[in-house]
Amino acid sequence: DGGITQSPKYLFRKEGQNVTLSCEQNLNHDAMYWYRQDPGQGLRLIYYSQIVNDFQKGDIAEGYSVSREKKESFPLTVTSAQKNQTAFYLCASCMGATLWNYGYTFGSGTRLTVV
Amino acid sequence: SQQGEEDPQALSIQEGENATMNCSYKTSINNLQWYRQNSGRGLVHLILIRSNEREKHSGRLRVTLDTSKKSSSLLITASRAADTASYFCATVHYGNNRLAFGKGNQVVVIP
Repeated sequence: DGGITQSPKYLFRKEGQNVTLSCEQNLNHDAMYWYRQDPGQGLRLIYYSQIVNDFQKGDIAEGYSVSREKKESFPLTVTSAQKNQTAFYLCASCMGATLWNYGYTFGSGTRLTVV
Repeated sequence: SQQGEEDPQALSIQEGENATMNCSYKTSINNLQWYRQNSGRGLVHLILIRSNEREKHSGRLRVTLDTSKKSSSLLITASRAADTASYFCATVHYGNNRLAFGKGNQVVVIP
């Protein structure tokens, strides 16, 4: 079955460490997205990519980086993790590069705790 | 960025009752989408309604869109315990190719 796989489900890191969250999709979707979700909050966009080897900053890109070397993969790196980056991270993909006709498919999320 | 805002924030109902949630937005949209999130899980796309549509149905879900009032509603009919989740509206605005999410509406269906 096609879908998006995020791994691992839980991550624990000490402040100052780098950490990479994995996101892989086998849906042949063009666009991929990273969101951050804090308790009781909506989703805030970190980065998105509409095509391989290209990506754009979202609303809260500072402290994060991404790459899109393959269509299937869109890893998110938290650089020098801080406690305020403790959150639930969600990866999503969309069939088209535009959102006028399609919704997102989400992964099951990675919960990152920075201590 | 513009965001959908859901109202009310939390809703508790008995199984079999209907649940209604509202969402408002500020600027013109291309489409509006509703998502469901079970606790600790990713979001699941429920329905997409375009700016030129007024109502859409999917199973027990009914979504309306009033572009003059910049608002949408999601109705879940004959609710079940399995409908317990958070529900998010999200908007796609012209010239902005990404989804903007509201803060979500927690619905608890009591068996």
